[in-house]
Amino acid sequence: QQPVQSPQAVILREGEDAVINCSSSKALYSVHWYRQKHGEAPVFLMILLKGGEQKGHEKISASFNEKKQQSSLYLTASQLSYSGTYFCGTEIGKDSNYQLIWGAGTKLIIKP
Amino acid sequence: DTGVSQDPRHKITKRGQNVTFRCDPISEHNRLYWYRQTLGQGPEFLTYFQNEAQLEKSRLLSDRFSAERPKGSFSTLEIQRTEQGDSAMYLCASSFRGPNEKLFFGSGTQLSVL
Repeated sequence: QQPVQSPQAVILREGEDAVINCSSSKALYSVHWYRQKHGEAPVFLMILLKGGEQKGHEKISASFNEKKQQSSLYLTASQLSYSGTYFCGTEIGKDSNYQLIWGAGTKLIIKP
Repeated sequence: DTGVSQDPRHKITKRGQNVTFRCDPISEHNRLYWYRQTLGQGPEFLTYFQNEAQLEKSRLLSDRFSAERPKGSFSTLEIQRTEQGDSAMYLCASSFRGPNEKLFFGSGTQLSVL
């Protein structure tokens, strides 16, 4: 039931782009994205509701493909501050009482 | 908005001892969650409250774990007879209302059981 995130880790040079994927075996009600820096609390990035909408947050955007039961997070022209571990949290709806089920995370390292 | 605060930040205890953690959510938030996180993993749901009512508890949670949220304000998480496998980061998060609301996390309590 845990969503699968890929890749597990990625190393980029500053200015490069990255895509992080989150796939579920169950139909999704929504997908949440958070970033956690080492030793800190996870911080909210965005929520995507079913309907295929795409949201943006500075140079970070995401899409949600309801039919494929997956979401992708796009980081454009990455900055050093983007380093951290990115988690997706999936909601399958009222059957799970709207609980978020978290992926194992994707570690992103940005080098200057 | 002072954010979610957790106390203590770090706790070292010996196996078999009881420990208690506290979480103070953002004041207007009616939902409060407890998660456990181990290295390289996402947060694992433990339990959550809507106001003072504990609405759900993870099936994976042993009876040694108990949580309270008296008066719907702060919450405590107690672990009795700690085991080495309990070593983890314990995260608290709060939100306003229910589905699709973003979670605000505290900095967590790092528990080490020796």
